[in-house]
Amino acid sequence: GAGVSQSPSNKVTEKGKDVELRCDPISGHTALYWYRQSLGQGLEFLIYFQGNSAPDKSGLPSDRFSAERTGGSVSTLTIQRTQQEDSAVYLCASSDRTSGPDTQYFGPGTRLTVL
Amino acid sequence: DQQVKQNSPSLSVQEGRISILNCDYTNSMFDYFLWYKKYPAEGPTFLISISSIKDKNEDGRFTVFLNKSAKHLSLHIVPSQPGDSAVYFCAATSGTYKYIFGTGTRLKVLA
Repeated sequence: GAGVSQSPSNKVTEKGKDVELRCDPISGHTALYWYRQSLGQGLEFLIYFQGNSAPDKSGLPSDRFSAERTGGSVSTLTIQRTQQEDSAVYLCASSDRTSGPDTQYFGPGTRLTVL
Repeated sequence: DQQVKQNSPSLSVQEGRISILNCDYTNSMFDYFLWYKKYPAEGPTFLISISSIKDKNEDGRFTVFLNKSAKHLSLHIVPSQPGDSAVYFCAATSGTYKYIFGTGTRLKVLA
């Protein structure tokens, strides 16, 4: 079946511009996660959705970052007034988690480059 | 403070031999551990997991060992194959959705 998809695969933007990154989770998965991987670093947790609500936004680096999820499916991560330090690969994952640890299925990521 | 550490950024192994990837953690509350494999331009894919109530879990050529007293886990791949060449991440959680990932080890299996 279809896995997690993300778009765009690559995004180059100028400092100060806003960007939107999209994630399409696996159909039926109620949990959705956003991570960021900067060069030479591990995956950094950003935000977790259960359905349309985000009980944990603790990983968002600043108020320039926001995310929403509609219809319990597609999610959008928005970065306003991008900075060069925002350059990273942004990964989305989904799972059918209801409680306890789960297996998260990752998309291919969006490579963001801020010039 | 990095709670999950993979101290070897890279590892090269001859085809057919054993690959051993190591991971150390500092948080004693972690009770579930996972290994993910990542090929270039793809997202990480789940490989194998282990709960803290076990010290070993095996799946085909892949075995994960957990040493709770040492706060150490390792992934063994036997025999290693060229298709195993990838970046391997370990991750840990304290029973929640929030995984803490290591920085990864790049494995190269030489034919």
